[in-house]
Amino acid sequence: EVQLVESGGHWVQHGGSLRLSCAASGFTFGDHFMTWVRQAPGKGLEWVANIKQDGSETYYVDSVRGRFTISRDNTKDSLFLHMNSLSADDAAVYYCARSRWGYGSYFFDYWGQGTLVAVSS
Amino acid sequence: SSELTQDPAVSVALGQTVRITCQGDSLRGHYASWYQQKPGQAPVLVIHGKNNRASGIPDRFSGSTSGNTASLTITGTQAEDEADYYCNAPDSSGNHYVFGAGTKVTVL
Repeated sequence: EVQLVESGGHWVQHGGSLRLSCAASGFTFGDHFMTWVRQAPGKGLEWVANIKQDGSETYYVDSVRGRFTISRDNTKDSLFLHMNSLSADDAAVYYCARSRWGYGSYFFDYWGQGTLVAVSS
Repeated sequence: SSELTQDPAVSVALGQTVRITCQGDSLRGHYASWYQQKPGQAPVLVIHGKNNRASGIPDRFSGSTSGNTASLTITGTQAEDEADYYCNAPDSSGNHYVFGAGTKVTVL
């Protein structure tokens, strides 16, 4: 059974840093693109970042580029999101999702339950 | 443009058919994927590609694309289908992804 379990979310001060983790199991982690998606309270989903299977390519939404870093450790079946210079706009539930390629683009076939990041101004 | 536009809300009578649309320039070259999210839960993949249902998704869900518009259709809507539905597709770069703002489906 595919499982994704996020952790690391908590309250942080404006301008602070945080590292989120996602522990994967039930599939060959190193075979898959992985993705972070976030959802601010009462708002819609926002794609945040992607990382290639070997970590050689990463992509970010413009609002986090230069502040967030997505990484992975395939030896530990883990995905990470390092977040710096946090602001109220970054407060959200952060989901990790497994990505699969099909018909010319990626889709997100399994999701974790999310971890909440709260930012105090 | 990298935006995907969805109607904010739609209502449907129990057992009837509802179509949810997603418009965007990138859909002329990419299929959308669709996600269902119920309150307090993580999103669930519903449809990907031309019209591929994810594992465990009932066959009353179907997808289609015409021009710059992707559609998710629920035929014979059930009470448990009440949820928010989001479309997603890559932007013009092909490497960044965009979600629509979501459509809230209410079952009457």
